[in-house]
Amino acid sequence: SQQGEEDPQALSIQEGENATMNCSYKTSINNLQWYRQNSGRGLVHLILIRSNEREKHSGRLRVTLDTSKKSSSLLITASRAADTASYFCATARDYKLSFGAGTTVTVRA
Amino acid sequence: NAGVMQNPRHLVRRRGQEARLRCSPMKGHSHVYWYRQLPEEGLKFMVYLQKENIIDESGMPKERFSAEFPKEGPSILRIQQVVRGDSAAYFCASSPPGRRTGYYEQYFGPGTRLTVT
Repeated sequence: SQQGEEDPQALSIQEGENATMNCSYKTSINNLQWYRQNSGRGLVHLILIRSNEREKHSGRLRVTLDTSKKSSSLLITASRAADTASYFCATARDYKLSFGAGTTVTVRA
Repeated sequence: NAGVMQNPRHLVRRRGQEARLRCSPMKGHSHVYWYRQLPEEGLKFMVYLQKENIIDESGMPKERFSAEFPKEGPSILRIQQVVRGDSAAYFCASSPPGRRTGYYEQYFGPGTRLTVT
């Protein structure tokens, strides 16, 4: 079964609003990574949070990790139309990344 | 520094033909990973290679699929006698060398979209 599962499956927000998506996983991990995929394109690495970290920021992105609950969240603040994409969490155990099915985010102008 | 390169970007094959997908990792990266993405799904791990070595092919179908990463040249994912169910996007990723490879992010190429008719 998939290691990472994102929630919600789809999210529609107004430009300027914040978008929050969650990821749950089942087994122990080395780190958790978030990726963005624009329609029909490749994956862009957004942020990596190690298993001993609780929170990490990168620009308008904020990621949290709760290893006791085996969950992570990605917050995108002040969303823009260009943030419209699918977002995937990937759990890393050794070298293997396990991806969820993703959250599709639509930012309305 | 060029990113991960994959070619072709789109590949159409008839059932029964062979598909060859190429991946050139980022400069300085010696670890290559192949993933497959079916429509509306996340990426699924297929195989992990280092130069001239297959480290983990646990995600590869047992038949018709093979991968290599020769000493010189790109990594190749080869699918023999393709069937309609092989239609998917195939992504290659690379990461830098290091003993604790699980601690590095993987950099993905743009993918090859295979369509089997």
